[in-house]
Amino acid sequence: GEDVEQSLFLSVREGDSSVINCTYTDSSSTYLYWYKQEPGAGLQLLTYIFSNMDMKQDQRLTVLLNKKDKHLSLRIADTQTGDSAIYFCAEISPGGGNKLTFGTGTQLKVEL
Amino acid sequence: DADVTQTPRNRITKTGKRIMLECSQTKGHDRMYWYRQDPGLGLRLIYYSFDVKDINKGEISDGYSVSRQAQAKFSLSLESAIPNQTALYFCATSDSRKTGGDGYTFGSGTRLTVV
Repeated sequence: GEDVEQSLFLSVREGDSSVINCTYTDSSSTYLYWYKQEPGAGLQLLTYIFSNMDMKQDQRLTVLLNKKDKHLSLRIADTQTGDSAIYFCAEISPGGGNKLTFGTGTQLKVEL
Repeated sequence: DADVTQTPRNRITKTGKRIMLECSQTKGHDRMYWYRQDPGLGLRLIYYSFDVKDINKGEISDGYSVSRQAQAKFSLSLESAIPNQTALYFCATSDSRKTGGDGYTFGSGTRLTVV
């Protein structure tokens, strides 16, 4: 079945860039997503990328997709304390029944 | 009002008790999902429903059942709760008519503790 993996923790200083990485196994993935979960809250869709793209930029967020290596990354420029949260990558594919498969989540801690 | 509402927000229950978690949505989406979140494991799919008469098992359906009472309502039941069902449960919705860029809409979650 589909498998999506992330490292569990990332710590950065305020003002630095954060890069959160994700690898997936399903080569038929059509859309890949980044969700943010703040403490005590549900998941909020941050951004997504269609599989025929290799980069998408949205204000401080840059998503890079390497389809050959099945690697997705989320770069947050000028990271702020309000960016502290858990970040989940997720993918959807026909092979997965068009259901979202989530990674394990990366806890981002932003230090002053 | 939230687009996807889960009740209760928090619940403590005893081992062996039956419990129901409820989810309602005002998005008009046809598809609904139940996930559980455990630290270090991400979100795992329990059950999903692509329309009112369609119910499907996810990757971890054992010990759970669901009911899609209407397009807007999807409830999750634990027939006989056990401690390893202690987790954060999320309901989500999606619209089959939209392209994948909309993703899913999530509720705020129900934190369930089984003692």
